[in-house]
Amino acid sequence: VQLVESGGGLVKPGGSLRLSCVASGFTFSRYSMNWVRQAPGKGLEWVSSLSSDSVYADYAGSMKGRFTISRDNAKNSLYLQMDSLRAEDTAVYYCARAPYYYDSVHYYFDYWGQGALVTVSS
Amino acid sequence: EIVLTQSPVTLSLSPGKRATLSCRASQSISIFLAWYQQKPGQAPRLLIYDASNRATDIPARFSASGSGTDFTLTISSVEPEDFAVYYCQQRASWPLTFGGGTKVEIK
Repeated sequence: VQLVESGGGLVKPGGSLRLSCVASGFTFSRYSMNWVRQAPGKGLEWVSSLSSDSVYADYAGSMKGRFTISRDNAKNSLYLQMDSLRAEDTAVYYCARAPYYYDSVHYYFDYWGQGALVTVSS
Repeated sequence: EIVLTQSPVTLSLSPGKRATLSCRASQSISIFLAWYQQKPGQAPRLLIYDASNRATDIPARFSASGSGTDFTLTISSVEPEDFAVYYCQQRASWPLTFGGGTKVEIK
């Protein structure tokens, strides 16, 4: 299993950025996927989750209306569109898979990418 | 939102000693709790799911227990590679939340 994020970088407050995560080594279309972030020197914060069929999506409160999660199962890819970015969105953003246990999705995170650094600064 | 409070914030131990980490939920989350280990510069690693089940390839020195609001992660004999930050995470209700972490450091 491998998850590789890209698209991070420096953006001004109010700007936009789109993160991508390419998956390999498993049947991507079967798994719910997630974004988790970590501000510099801080703890982990869940950002968003998306079901395998894209029917169900959810977001952390401070990101609702600004971030959009999506996926393309044909391309084994997960995305996070981030708009109206703020300084407090500065973090490493991880793509992570939600595992199946006992044939049901468990919203934990069993595989993680290496992370993409997003810096919001003027 | 369910708040997870981890204690202690820092645990100073010598290798070979037993480590006991706590995670307390602000309301009952049944057994829907996971534990992660994170080393500097690395992504987190899933250790435990559903309160007491070791994830794939996790050594037996890691064990966990609890239900409702109180959970414990135990490292029976701390190895040099176990010095890291440990986080708990709940999946009982949205939004998913993490605890603030416990740093296990070398004494």
